[in-house]
Parts: sequence; structure tokens; C-alpha cells
Amino acid sequence: NAGVTQTPKFQVLKTGQSMTLQCAQDMNHEYMSWYRQDPGMGLRLIHYSVGAGITDQGEVPNGYNVSRSTTEDFPLRLLSAAPSQTSVYFCASSYLRALETQYFGPGTRLLVL
Amino acid sequence: AQKITQTQPGMFVQEKEAVTLDCTYDTSDQSYGLFWYKQPSSGEMIFLIYQGSYDEQNATEGRYSLNFQKARKSANLVISASQLGDSAMYFCAMRDVISSGSARQLTFGSGTQLTVLP
Repeated sequence: NAGVTQTPKFQVLKTGQSMTLQCAQDMNHEYMSWYRQDPGMGLRLIHYSVGAGITDQGEVPNGYNVSRSTTEDFPLRLLSAAPSQTSVYFCASSYLRALETQYFGPGTRLLVL
Repeated sequence: AQKITQTQPGMFVQEKEAVTLDCTYDTSDQSYGLFWYKQPSSGEMIFLIYQGSYDEQNATEGRYSLNFQKARKSANLVISASQLGDSAMYFCAMRDVISSGSARQLTFGSGTQLTVLP
């Protein structure tokens, strides 16, 4: 099993550029989420989804969009990148039933100049 | 709102000794889960151990055990017989359950950097 995959692994953007971070899972998980990790801090939730067609905001959603057209894929879009979005981004997935652990992708390191 | 507090930004332990990483949490929910993740320098998030709020016994997974004290709202991670490969950042996290039985998102603490000394 591939588990949770993320692409790209590393990306450099200029301020104002847009891009999409890809996330896919092959475990048929209903729940998918995006986190960002900044130095000295834990992971903070950006957006999450409890199933295809259903998304909701997390703690730090501004500047990001998501969609969930299939169970497998949950892309994260940066509409107009800002230096404050320089971070490491993790995608995670789990079953929706109570208290399952989330499985994390390897992360995408994003640098916005 | 949920909150996870890890008060030890950094810890040192001698190889082969045991170490305890502290975690306290705050929630008004009755049903929740507590998780510990390891993040080595390579960056991936590795799930270590889980404790449910209704579990009466402390969780154990190999050299990892979770010292769960519900009344004190603490969920400390104990690593026995530390190895050099245990050097990493460790995150405590919590997940609770909404009324439909579905789980909410994970809330993370700020982490503890553990260094194992030879």
C-alpha cells in the first residue's frame, strides 16, 4: 500500500504565484485533512474533509482552498502565495469512526520568496 | 476548545535510560483519544501510541507506554531503554468525538525535542 502520498516534496514560489499541493490516499479513508507546521510549533489544521463533496475550515484556513471530488484525493490550493505561507505542509487521513489515528503523508516543504 | 500543553521544549537522556515526556490536555468532552507522534529529523510523522479516555489500563507499545492520569488530565509518554534512534521531536495530540460518533481533527501540542546521549 502506498498509504498517504504528497507531491511535490519541495517547492519554491514567488509572492503572488498560485499552486496546488497534491494529496492522495489508497486506504478508502473518509476523513482527510491538511496541516501546516512552523518552527517551534505543533501542527495546525488548515482544512479538513469528512467525505467526497464535504469540506470545512480548520484553525488557519485563510489563503487556502480545498476541494474533495473523490474519496482518494484532497488537493490544497494556494491562490496567491505569501511569505507567511512558508511552511511544511502535511496531509493526513483516517477512517471517520471515532478516535482512529490519522496517517500522515511525508510532507511538502514550501518556500515563498 | 481543546488544548494540548507540552512544557518541555527540550529533553536529554542517557542511552539505555528511561525518559518521561510530559503532556497535559484540556477538554470538556467525555470521549476523546490521546496520541503520541514521533518526528525524526527526516520530517515524517510516525504514530507511536494511543490512549482512549475510557481505557482503564495504560497503553503500551513495545518500549513506549502512556502514563494516563485522567483526573489530572495528563498523558505522559514514557520511553524505556532509550536508544540513539529515539532522538526526535515528540508531539502529543488529542482527538475528540462529536455527537454523531465521528471523530474531530487532531489538536497538537508544541512538541518536545528529545536528544539521546551516547
